Amino acid sequence: EVQVVDSGGGLVKPGGSLRLSCAVSGLTFTDAWMSWVRQAPGKGLEWIGRIKSKGGGGTIDYAAPVRGRFTISREDSENTLYLQLNSLREEDTAVYFCTWVGREPSIMFSWGPGTLVSVSP
Amino acid sequence: QSVLTQPPSTSETPGQRVTISCSGSNSNIGRHTVDWYQHLPGTAPKLLIYANNQRPSGVPDRFSGSKSGTSASLAISGPQSEDEADYYCAAWDDSLNGYVFGTGTKVTVL
Repeated sequence: EVQVVDSGGGLVKPGGSLRLSCAVSGLTFTDAWMSWVRQAPGKGLEWIGRIKSKGGGGTIDYAAPVRGRFTISREDSENTLYLQLNSLREEDTAVYFCTWVGREPSIMFSWGPGTLVSVSP
Repeated sequence: QSVLTQPPSTSETPGQRVTISCSGSNSNIGRHTVDWYQHLPGTAPKLLIYANNQRPSGVPDRFSGSKSGTSASLAISGPQSEDEADYYCAAWDDSLNGYVFGTGTKVTVL
């Protein structure tokens, strides 16, 4: 069974930065495509971006609202996915979910429990 | 604002059939398959249906999906109390070059 555990959330001021981590087990992480999704308070789910496996090209795609501010990366030797959040805004306040993309283009078969990021003065 | 539109809410009594619609366009549903996710607030979302009508292992067969043109539907036959949740459709969008979720539908089982 694929296990996904996201962490690293916290309280940060506008303009600040934060790095989220995601530990993955139960699969060959080197071959895994991964995504990040968030949910702001009272809002729906929002796809943030996806990173393909290196063997799949390693391409990273981002949603427009976060492009240029957020960076997805992976450390295959540690079975870990990262999401670097820069230039944070209050509207980035959300629960962030790490997900395993089990099938193209971004079908998310396993989700982490979520980690809360709060951006406030 | 999402490019996939769903009704905000729906309710039904146990034993009846619930249908949730998802309306898109030629840049998303018209060209790509549709997935559905179930989300109980405070928990991790769960993949319910993928590739229009496929159920992952463990999903009850009372859940089914379909797609026609630029729209898709999720049906729950004989909803149970544990099916009370938010449901989201999703698909890849070529114009946005990203995966988009629908606006979400809250299902209440009376």
